[in-house]
Amino acid sequence: GAVVSQHPSRVICKSGTSVKIECRSLDFQATTMFWYRQFPKQSLMLMATSNEGSKATYEQGVEKDKFLINHASLTLSTLTVTSAHPEDSSFYICSARARNNEQFFGPGTRLTVL
Amino acid sequence: QKEVEQDPGPLSVPEGAIVSLNCTYSNSAFQYFMWYRQYSRKGPELLMYTYSSGNKEDGRFTAQVDKSSKYISLFIRDSQPSDSATYLCAMREDTNAGKSTFGDGTTLTVKP
Repeated sequence: GAVVSQHPSRVICKSGTSVKIECRSLDFQATTMFWYRQFPKQSLMLMATSNEGSKATYEQGVEKDKFLINHASLTLSTLTVTSAHPEDSSFYICSARARNNEQFFGPGTRLTVL
Repeated sequence: QKEVEQDPGPLSVPEGAIVSLNCTYSNSAFQYFMWYRQYSRKGPELLMYTYSSGNKEDGRFTAQVDKSSKYISLFIRDSQPSDSATYLCAMREDTNAGKSTFGDGTTLTVKP
């Protein structure tokens, strides 16, 4: 299957700092990218959907000013958690949809806010 | 009521058993159906991807979609300890911009 990478895989930061997570589709162009959040032993929670060159569409209850999404190209999307707090600690996973509509996930980024 | 309901599990089977994982859904507009496998602390991995009704086989995995019953299944033959993971069903309407709706996952343990 196609490969989606995420960087960093793990980040620990102090409360109040901002954290940027990169998501790249390595061997295909992604028409759409998605950002999910997952708490332990729970399913994926969609945060936002982004298309290259346009603003992201956020799910209800997700603060767009706190979770900034930039979809700079067909192979790169970034999620910035601004002024992170301990309650933002979670597993963040990006996903990219290829032109044939298959959807592939990155390996995830574990964020811990102290 | 959730749009997608997945058998919650957890499921524990002996090595070599046939495993059946199931999801039901309520949205008749769903056209694309996926099964993902997620190991602990990893991102989901796409296992099977089907469009509309029917069966699809890939090695030890078979995906079935019955749109008339709004029911999908994933069968795993000759299950192995390495199959131990959480399995997520997902489905989507037939639009390029449509988001996928996921089940809550079934955790499977295959005991040697």
